[in-house]
Amino acid sequence: AQSVAQPEDQVNVAEGNPLTVKCTYSVSGNPYLFWYVQYPNRGLQFLLKYITGDNLVKGSYGFEAEFNKSQTSFHLKKPSALVSDSALYFCAVRRGSTLGRLYFGRGTQLTVWP
Amino acid sequence: EAGVAQSPRYKIIEKRQSVAFWCNPISGHATLYWYQQILGQGPKLLIQFQNNGVVDDSQLPKDRFSAERLKGVDSTLKIQPAKLEDSAVYLCASSGRTEDTQYFGPGTRLTVL
Repeated sequence: AQSVAQPEDQVNVAEGNPLTVKCTYSVSGNPYLFWYVQYPNRGLQFLLKYITGDNLVKGSYGFEAEFNKSQTSFHLKKPSALVSDSALYFCAVRRGSTLGRLYFGRGTQLTVWP
Repeated sequence: EAGVAQSPRYKIIEKRQSVAFWCNPISGHATLYWYQQILGQGPKLLIQFQNNGVVDDSQLPKDRFSAERLKGVDSTLKIQPAKLEDSAVYLCASSGRTEDTQYFGPGTRLTVL
């Protein structure tokens, strides 16, 4: 069975500081991993994905994520947080197939303080 | 490129009433998904279409939920009759033929009273 865990319901950081939003996954076979961001009353916006290749992937708005196979983790990072990064972040996993369903975590609310 | 369109954005109904949601995917995207997002949870897949055929509806409560994708483009999701626990945001997403990424619409927030 596929599943995603986001161990932190909330992450609070000061503007300008680095941020990390954690994600661990369980999947049979090769994982396809995704991060999405959701602003209030909006749908999910795609940030970045890992399919294969370099373990460090870069995405939109200065975000990046590191795939760690041994720890089954895919943590989202940003070197310098902005107040406008405050939103709900979802990690998702899919089995190595282009048509498979996405399994989402519960989400992590990121708040960046000015 | 236009994104995934959904309507209505908000809907309030009484329990036991029926409701329908509409989705128009990104042009040319063959795969369409409907997800249910209950407050405080991540989205959960209800049904997946490839063109106008159903690929996965294992999590769809078929006694009350139905969906169709006529002509392999637009899709409608219907609930009849609605229950209180159906209150959620219903998200539509689409992906291209060789595209791994699912792109989401703004969602429809349903409140069942």
